[in-house]
Amino acid sequence: EAGVTQFPSHSVIEKGQTVTLRCDPISGHDNLYWYRRVMGKEIKFLLHFVKESKQDESGMPNNRFLAERTGGTYSTLKVQPAELEDSGVYFCASSQGATGGREKLFFGSGTQLSVL
Amino acid sequence: RKEVEQDPGPFNVPEGATVAFNCTYSNSASQSFFWYRQDCRKEPKLLMSVYSSGNEDGRFTAQLNRASQYISLLIRDSKLSDSATYLCVVNRAAGNKLTFGGGTRVLVKP
Repeated sequence: EAGVTQFPSHSVIEKGQTVTLRCDPISGHDNLYWYRRVMGKEIKFLLHFVKESKQDESGMPNNRFLAERTGGTYSTLKVQPAELEDSGVYFCASSQGATGGREKLFFGSGTQLSVL
Repeated sequence: RKEVEQDPGPFNVPEGATVAFNCTYSNSASQSFFWYRQDCRKEPKLLMSVYSSGNEDGRFTAQLNRASQYISLLIRDSKLSDSATYLCVVNRAAGNKLTFGGGTRVLVKP
């Protein structure tokens, strides 16, 4: 069975450009999460989808970030316009269902974003 | 102050030895606790959940101390393949908004 897949694995863009990251969760997983790790910091939550609905987007840093999950399958995270401080590794994760916060999250291998 | 604090290490461990390390969390309302493992330039992978009574999975033992708000991980009979960064992860609520520590790096050497 395929795991969580993310595309691209690496992206190098210039400040002010737009980048779109994609995440395909494990088939059948209703819950999809975005996390990111910026240089020297710990991994931080960005947002949580349940199917196509945003359950919690409290971790989104600002309105330059837009996440979508149309149809409740794959998700995209767009950064427009990108700033230097957006550089880091963006992880997507998915889980099957909500069981009081103990279900196992499966992470993708991440997208390394470098903004120059 | 960070919500989840870990000693970044590295912990240099001879193969076959035992290593233990802790993490502390600041939010007393935290409900679920985990140890994740992350290899260099890879994604985090769940190592084990941590239960109030303490739990063991093979060579790995996790403990939770709610009164002092810390979680521990002990690795017995360390293998070279145990070299990784171990992430302490806390979940505050019934959802899955996980809070990660910065990780503890463990290097097992022959």
